[in-house]
Amino acid sequence: DSGVTQTPKHLITATGQRVTLRCSPRSGDLSVYWYQQSLDQGLQFLIQYYNGEERAKGNILERFSAQQFPDLHSELNLSSLELGDSALYFCASSKGGVTVSEQYFGPGTRLTVT
Amino acid sequence: SQQGEEDPQALSIQEGENATMNCSYKTSINNLQWYRQNSGRGLVHLILIRSNEREKHSGRLRVTLDTSKKSSSLLITASRAADTASYFCATDVAGNQFYFGTGTSLTVIP
Repeated sequence: DSGVTQTPKHLITATGQRVTLRCSPRSGDLSVYWYQQSLDQGLQFLIQYYNGEERAKGNILERFSAQQFPDLHSELNLSSLELGDSALYFCASSKGGVTVSEQYFGPGTRLTVT
Repeated sequence: SQQGEEDPQALSIQEGENATMNCSYKTSINNLQWYRQNSGRGLVHLILIRSNEREKHSGRLRVTLDTSKKSSSLLITASRAADTASYFCATDVAGNQFYFGTGTSLTVIP
């Protein structure tokens, strides 16, 4: 158990809908990362937050957005969903800061868009 | 793409043998990390090697880094069935922005 929790575990929704994925980092970790893993694209870095502020942006679509709240939990919002958005979405956390440290991954949310 | 590429894509060995997988990347990095993923589950951090280090050990794991060739290798010695998983390298390019490779799928046959 990494200490990172993600909800829900599974999500099935239709094209055009909007969903919110939630992540709670490990106690004491200030950074939260979001990743998308699909068979054809592999593991893609989406976005990173550090202590409530966006720090780095990867291959995140404009239809996707995220935020980190004062209690450090984070949400990833996916809107106007397309079939191609079906994937495993992982959240990871780390101490963050200047020194790069290892990331702890949550169990993931499996999103299926029908 | 700044993603790393692991080689081989798939590797099958007998229990007790050593497994070696390689990672190549495209740009200068701050550090490189290796992660393991069991089927459909979250990734687990194995080891981090900084750009000024050449070799690092952790238990049965040995990682090397050659920044001149932009490559790294992960050696798992005396493999066990429980080592069956996918292994990914992740490069830190711009500080806290990680790019994962395509992964090596390792099968250890008991």
